[in-house]
Amino acid sequence: KAGVTQTPRYLIKTRGQQVTLSCSPISGHRSVSWYQQTPGQGLQFLFEYFSETQRNKGNFPGRFSGRQFSNSRSEMNVSTLELGDSALYLCASNRRGVSGNEQFFGPGTRLTVL
Amino acid sequence: TQLLEQSPQFLSIQEGENLTVYCNSSSVFSSLQWYRQEPGEGPVLLVTVVTGGEVKKLKRLTFQFGDARKDSSLHITAAQPGDTGLYLCAGYSNYQLIWGAGTKLIIKP
Repeated sequence: KAGVTQTPRYLIKTRGQQVTLSCSPISGHRSVSWYQQTPGQGLQFLFEYFSETQRNKGNFPGRFSGRQFSNSRSEMNVSTLELGDSALYLCASNRRGVSGNEQFFGPGTRLTVL
Repeated sequence: TQLLEQSPQFLSIQEGENLTVYCNSSSVFSSLQWYRQEPGEGPVLLVTVVTGGEVKKLKRLTFQFGDARKDSSLHITAAQPGDTGLYLCAGYSNYQLIWGAGTKLIIKP
């Protein structure tokens, strides 16, 4: 069974630009979560999508948005990039396990904003 | 604001030694998970603990959930270089997953 794929793996942008990141979850998983990971802040929850609907949202400005398609693939978009947006963006494919929700992470997209 | 505090933040030990890392909070969690993350990769789920006082073993790793479900520990016996990584704990409360900042563990050969 294929794991979670994220594209691109690395991205360099300049301030003011916008970026779109893509995530394909594990086949059969309908829920996807996005996180931002930085050395100083750790993992910060961005949002969760289930069956094309945003189910939960973290405390990020409106410049961060996302969507999910009917095939469960998800994209997140960051507009008007700032230096502080440089981070590893992780996508997790979620399923309900015996002990609760289980998250399977992709390798992440490393975004550098210059 | 619910917080999960992990300690120590950084640990570097020799191969063969034992170690324990901690995950503490003032809040109660319905379940708690431990992940390991290696450089350039996403976190990988190691275990989920649900019941207060629960102990789970995964080869040389022993996970314990506190009786009050506010804290957890991870004990590694006879650490090996392959155990190197960032260990993250995450707790479920009110359908949200709260993450700790992680313990960076380095095992020297």
